[in-house]
Amino acid sequence: ETGVTQTPRHLVMGMTNKKSLKCEQHLGHNAMYWYKQSAKKPLELMFVYNFKEQTENNSVPSRFSPECPNSSHLFLHLHTLQPEDSALYLCASSRRGGGETQYFGPGTRLLVL
Amino acid sequence: AQSVTQLDSQVPVFEEAPVELRCNYSSSVSVYLFWYVQYPNQGLQLLLKYLSGSTLVKGINGFEAEFNKSQTSFHLRKPSVHISDTAEYFCAVSGDTNAGKSTFGDGTTLTVKP
Repeated sequence: ETGVTQTPRHLVMGMTNKKSLKCEQHLGHNAMYWYKQSAKKPLELMFVYNFKEQTENNSVPSRFSPECPNSSHLFLHLHTLQPEDSALYLCASSRRGGGETQYFGPGTRLLVL
Repeated sequence: AQSVTQLDSQVPVFEEAPVELRCNYSSSVSVYLFWYVQYPNQGLQLLLKYLSGSTLVKGINGFEAEFNKSQTSFHLRKPSVHISDTAEYFCAVSGDTNAGKSTFGDGTTLTVKP
């Protein structure tokens, strides 16, 4: 399998549930990203990891907890979410450095009830 | 600091007509510029990018963009669109210091009508 994969593709959860989103890249990249894409809103960068270290957290609420065990895998742990967290969550990867293309996964469509 | 402004949130056009999607950027450092496309229920994919050299960049699916440093613009064009070009288009900018991170515009929805 090549490129960036995300699982699950769709997720419905209640506000008290705990779930995790998984992202895997097979491109040999060393930077990985989580984005949130809500309807009628701009793409929001949530977290950036470089060489497994978190280098950016854009004031994301603590109910979202990222984990990057190695350069190929990125998780987003979800706990006590709110209905307004319903969105498409996109993972991306790139080589580190300016001018590098980001490669996106297909996203996880999350619905919080 | 960097920012990107996509001047049109929605662009409706008829099939086989030309189209231009406008993008302006601001940055205090040298920039790299990108256009990505997002088809329904998919992630973003690269259409084209400008790193250096010729200011006219050609991408996939017949799209091209021109980097204009004096006007800080990077408009996307296609001479004749197809129904299959209906999608969301994002302009993005990154710089040398951003370790691969890009700043994205708000997106332009291109709708091609028959």
